Amino acid sequence: AQSVAQPEDQVNVAEGNPLTVKCTYSVSGNPYLFWYVQYPNRGLQFLLKYITGDNLVKGSYGFEAEFNKSQTSFHLKKPSALVSDSALYFCAVRGKGSTLGRLYFGRGTQLTVWP
Amino acid sequence: DAGVIQSPRHEVTEMGQEVTLRCKPISGHNSLFWYRQTMMRGLELLIYFNNNVPIDDSGMPEDRFSAKMPNASFSTLKIQPSEPRDSAVYFCASSARTEMNTEAFFGQGTRLTVV
Repeated sequence: AQSVAQPEDQVNVAEGNPLTVKCTYSVSGNPYLFWYVQYPNRGLQFLLKYITGDNLVKGSYGFEAEFNKSQTSFHLKKPSALVSDSALYFCAVRGKGSTLGRLYFGRGTQLTVWP
Repeated sequence: DAGVIQSPRHEVTEMGQEVTLRCKPISGHNSLFWYRQTMMRGLELLIYFNNNVPIDDSGMPEDRFSAKMPNASFSTLKIQPSEPRDSAVYFCASSARTEMNTEAFFGQGTRLTVV
């Protein structure tokens, strides 16, 4: 079965410092991985995705994610955090076979960037 | 495109009343998802449709919940009778299923409070 895990419920970082939000996945074959962000009282917004190709994927708002097949990880990163990056971040993997249509989400990681 | 449109944005109802949540997916998308988000359980998939047909409703909590998609541009999620434990934010999302690399787009959500 497909799944993702976000090992940290919360990540705190000072503005200007690099940030990492962790995600590991479990899926047979090649994974299709996604990151979403949710701001307060809003729906989830798509940030970036990994389908194939370069292991470093660039997305919206200066975010990027690194796909690591040997570690089955897809960590979200940003070189310099902004206070406005504070939000809830979700990692997701697309299902396969009979569950092709759905996304499996992690529990989410609350990112807080301190000024 | 206006994105995924949900209505109402907020709903407050008394226990025992019927509640109907509405969703208009992005034009051309043929997969539609209903999610529920709570602090305790995080983001849960309730049901999803492909080409207006329910594919997986295993996440629907119980018989009080029902969902329909009478055409490609409209879906409803109904709770009858509603209970206080149904209080949550309900999200609708849509995607183009025909490609595995497509992301899902979320609506703003409906915040349901059952008193």
